Amino acid sequence: RKEVEQDPGPFNVPEGATVAFNCTYSNSASQSFFWYRQDCRKEPKLLMSVYSSGNEDGRFTAQLNRASQYISLLIRDSKLSDSATYLCVVTLIRGANNLFFGTGTRLTVIP
Amino acid sequence: DAGVTQSPTHLIKTRGQHVTLRCSPISGHKSVSWYQQVLGQGPQFIFQYYEKEERGRGNFPDRFSARQFPNYSSELNVNALLLGDSALYLCASSLLTGKDTGELFFGEGSRLTVL
Repeated sequence: RKEVEQDPGPFNVPEGATVAFNCTYSNSASQSFFWYRQDCRKEPKLLMSVYSSGNEDGRFTAQLNRASQYISLLIRDSKLSDSATYLCVVTLIRGANNLFFGTGTRLTVIP
Repeated sequence: DAGVTQSPTHLIKTRGQHVTLRCSPISGHKSVSWYQQVLGQGPQFIFQYYEKEERGRGNFPDRFSARQFPNYSSELNVNALLLGDSALYLCASSLLTGKDTGELFFGEGSRLTVL
């Protein structure tokens, strides 16, 4: 079983739409959770960390449900520049570099 | 400030050959990790080095090896290349002080094609 499972999409949404991604993780001992963004043929970059209390950064909101072992990312008012692959990431040890990445969910925002 | 730099950016090898990939972390970062990203998949952890010592190893065969130098740069070596080794190899650095956010800073990667 994969450590992190994501719906690969693709999600094609119009500008201004709200879109939500979910992922599940298998190890209940997982400590830290992140969403990374990867543009086509580029390296992954941290979008935001995910906390149990939920956190928001502008149009982006991330939630963690430890009981159900799932993580979500909500993007409001989608922009063309949001088109990318969104990678769900967990690690077993806080601050460790052994990150488990999901397959990624591809988002295309359409004009 | 320079980010994580990797070389070469692209290379083509044939089966059975070996390859050495190089990485320079962000100045001040002492931890370097290597990831393999096959097309259509998320990155998969290969190695982590901190202060020149191996701190973690993913589920990769012994054909994969790495090392970290006193200046914290790192090399990833892959011997006896197979077609399935074709991938983007990403190097990432971090502070790893225990107080940082856990964010990894990735280089642009070395794209390896094995023919």
